[in-house]
Amino acid sequence: EVQVVESGGGLVQPGGSLRLSCAASGFTFSSHGMNWVRQAPGKGLEWVSYITSGSTTKWYADSMKGRFTVSRDNAKNSLYLQMNSLRAEDTAVYYCARATLMSRAFDIWGQGTMVTVSS
Amino acid sequence: QSVLTQPPSVSGAPGQRVTISCTGSSSNIGANYDVHWYQQLPQTAPKLLIYANNDRPSGVPDRFSGSKSGTSASLAITGLQAEDEADYYCQSYDSSLSGYVFGTGTKVTVL
Repeated sequence: EVQVVESGGGLVQPGGSLRLSCAASGFTFSSHGMNWVRQAPGKGLEWVSYITSGSTTKWYADSMKGRFTVSRDNAKNSLYLQMNSLRAEDTAVYYCARATLMSRAFDIWGQGTMVTVSS
Repeated sequence: QSVLTQPPSVSGAPGQRVTISCTGSSSNIGANYDVHWYQQLPQTAPKLLIYANNDRPSGVPDRFSGSKSGTSASLAITGLQAEDEADYYCQSYDSSLSGYVFGTGTKVTVL
């Protein structure tokens, strides 16, 4: 079964750090670009970051630049998001999503992991 | 704030046709970047509904269709069913932001 599973969410204090992981299975992970997307409680979807299959290119939404770092380990079929200097407004469910090879649509989504930034 | 604007809500009776607009600009939809659509049922992860403007992944009913023109795109749902009640999001790439953007989202209610 083609799937991605996020982990690593939790409660963190403002200014703190957290590292999210996304484990992929059922497909050739090293062939696909990958994304992080978040959704604050009761709000819409917000794209966070994208990384190409070989990690040569990384994009970030403006509000995450300098604070978040995306990485991947193709040998471990895993995607990561290192989040530093966390703010209350970073509280959200964070989804990992696979990009299709041609159109880069987000075709496989995980169930999400909740990050709560609060003192 | 999103650069892709959608109506907050649309509604229709079972069997009717509803459309959801996604209005962008010359740096995203108008620059000929693909538009994709996602369906998010309550308390679940989003699901790809339409990709590359008007293509459907396998398993998505042909009641769902997409189109694009100029700086806007649309999602149409024909033969509306109770199970279509969900939030819908458009998504594209924006060259000014050098990244992907989602629409503001539209809640579809089946009356």
